[in-house]
Amino acid sequence: AIQLTQSPSSLSASVGDRVTITCRASQDIRNDLGWYQQKLGKAPKLLIYVASNLQSGVPSRFSGSGSGTDFTLTISSLQPEDFATYYCLQDYDYPLTFGGGTKVELK
Amino acid sequence: QLQLQESGPGLVRPSETLSLTCTVSGASISSTGYHWGWIRQPPGKGLEWIGNIFYRGNTYYNPSLKSRVTISVDTSKNQFSLKLSSVTAADTAVYYCARRRLQPERFDYWGQGALVTVSA
Repeated sequence: AIQLTQSPSSLSASVGDRVTITCRASQDIRNDLGWYQQKLGKAPKLLIYVASNLQSGVPSRFSGSGSGTDFTLTISSLQPEDFATYYCLQDYDYPLTFGGGTKVELK
Repeated sequence: QLQLQESGPGLVRPSETLSLTCTVSGASISSTGYHWGWIRQPPGKGLEWIGNIFYRGNTYYNPSLKSRVTISVDTSKNQFSLKLSSVTAADTAVYYCARRRLQPERFDYWGQGALVTVSA
């Protein structure tokens, strides 16, 4: 199975900060990677698909980049509603696998 | 507006079978451009993909659970279901159903989740 390693596992940031989360795949997955946001007690929400496509309705401060094995989710200016846990998911091959998550907390 | 809703027992005894149903409203489960999936999350832990199904019955399972998992679809009721046999405490989790849009693939709609506890 393809392994996804997210870093950092947690970070502390302030409103207005630029935040970057990385996801590294154990093999080449082209651009078949998505990013999901999960708030406490809620279902995950799709933010980005095929590495860089913004899901409809998601604010433009979220962006994704990367291909092959290295991917990045960037929040350009952190807002209060962005404090959550973020997961990457590889859509390249079965079994589908998630990264371990990155918890974004208020500094 | 597409909605998915999980339903089923919140408590299952060890060694028994966990059964959940996902009812889809606002869209047909028989649409060709979608799979329908199950994902779970143990308390305080990360997400684990369980499996997907196409409305024609084609299934894709996580090998780590494959021997115990069955996902089925009932197009007449616009529902799909999960059965997980021989459960243990390690199967205690919030179980989510989700729509997997194809080309390109992504989980674009999720249910709210159902907590299932395995305990005697």
